Amino acid sequence: EVQLVESGGGLVQPGGSLRLSCVVSGVTYRINWMHWVRQAPGKGLEWLSRSGNNVGYAESAKGRFTISRDDAKNTLYLQMNSLRVEDTALYYCAAGEGAYIGSGSKIDYWGQGILVTVSS
Amino acid sequence: QSALTQPPSASGSPGQSVTISCTGTSSDVGNYNYVSWYQQHPGKAPRLMIYDVTKRPSGVPDRFSGSKSGNTASLTVSGLQAEDEADYYCSSYAGSNNLIFGGGTKLTVL
Repeated sequence: EVQLVESGGGLVQPGGSLRLSCVVSGVTYRINWMHWVRQAPGKGLEWLSRSGNNVGYAESAKGRFTISRDDAKNTLYLQMNSLRVEDTALYYCAAGEGAYIGSGSKIDYWGQGILVTVSS
Repeated sequence: QSALTQPPSASGSPGQSVTISCTGTSSDVGNYNYVSWYQQHPGKAPRLMIYDVTKRPSGVPDRFSGSKSGNTASLTVSGLQAEDEADYYCSSYAGSNNLIFGGGTKLTVL
């Protein structure tokens, strides 16, 4: 099994920055892909970014959010800048197994999420 | 890129079958066999139910099945049970290292 624990959320003013962290533990050698997904209150899931053989960003994240990872610390990060009220959401760290083409498209493990509130 | 299109709601009685659709475009669902389905109960993290259109992870009941035709993928839940009541989301690879989710479908077991 794999466990994912997010931290770093909280209240931030519009225009501010926040860095989310996600510590991965358990059977980590099976993980090839790491993702950030968010869910605004009462809304659906929105994919933001992934890191693996390559990095990708949703349009809503491009230019403002940066995904990175420290494999020595088994930690994934999401640096969020120029935050807007509409970025208020529960942010999930997530992970995928597999090394075949397409394996980066499925998410096998999810954290419990960390709340980010952008408000003045 | 717009979200994949799912019906807001679906319902069925215990024991019945229900199918949830997920419509994309030729740039995502229609172009890749990398459609996944997730189940989310209130206040819980999502759970992977189907990946690569038709594959079930270990531990997912075989009552859950997936298919695809053209730009539309589908999730079928057979033999509905009370615990299947949840929100269901589809996702697809959309090229250029991007993924995209559907808007979600609330499944009610009557």
